[in-house]
Amino acid sequence: DTAVSQTPKYLVTQMGNDKSIKCEQNLGHDTMYWYKQDSKKFLKIMFSYNNKELIINETVPNRFSPKSPDKAHLNLHINSLELGDSAVYFCASSQEWRPFSYEQYFGPGTRLTVT
Amino acid sequence: DQQVKQNSPSLSVQEGRISILNCDYTNSMFDYFLWYKKYPAEGPTFLISISSIKDKNEDGRFTVFLNKSAKHLSLHIVPSQPGDSAVYFCAASVPSNTDKLIFGTGTRLQVFP
Repeated sequence: DTAVSQTPKYLVTQMGNDKSIKCEQNLGHDTMYWYKQDSKKFLKIMFSYNNKELIINETVPNRFSPKSPDKAHLNLHINSLELGDSAVYFCASSQEWRPFSYEQYFGPGTRLTVT
Repeated sequence: DQQVKQNSPSLSVQEGRISILNCDYTNSMFDYFLWYKKYPAEGPTFLISISSIKDKNEDGRFTVFLNKSAKHLSLHIVPSQPGDSAVYFCAASVPSNTDKLIFGTGTRLQVFP
């Protein structure tokens, strides 16, 4: 059983399109995250949600909109895709928000390529 | 501004020997440090952590050392095994209203027979 799953694994699309990446965790965790790993291999937090509430929004363009329908799911919708959005996007979860959970469980990543 | 730095992009070690992965940081407010391990086509997995009030933490073959005065931490793997071949990310956390992990760029470790 996959603890944190993401779909799709690969996504190739053209500039200007809108796309979504889905994430689900079956660990019963309260907190979920989206990270972006760019071409320089930096792994940076984008968003975090705790019990469906937005906790962190790290200066991400508003073309990126996370949605958490329930605490097991955190989806990422991206509007008007740009070349610079090409990256690997990782979803992660952790047990709770307070105290801060350093041990985070990551999904396998979604490689987004914008042409 | 890169607050967590892993200056060695790769390291190659013979099986059975010690692997030493290094990490430097700039923010003296970091209160927790972690190492994550990543295999190709998988997400990072938590490996070991250390609080800023300690200078060493050991878990089996893995030991993390923290030198706060030098703002430096290292991960020692003894003995190294081929299955340890992966990318290792150093990460740090600073206590705030919006706790988050700040990651380094990773070091690719290759353990050869």
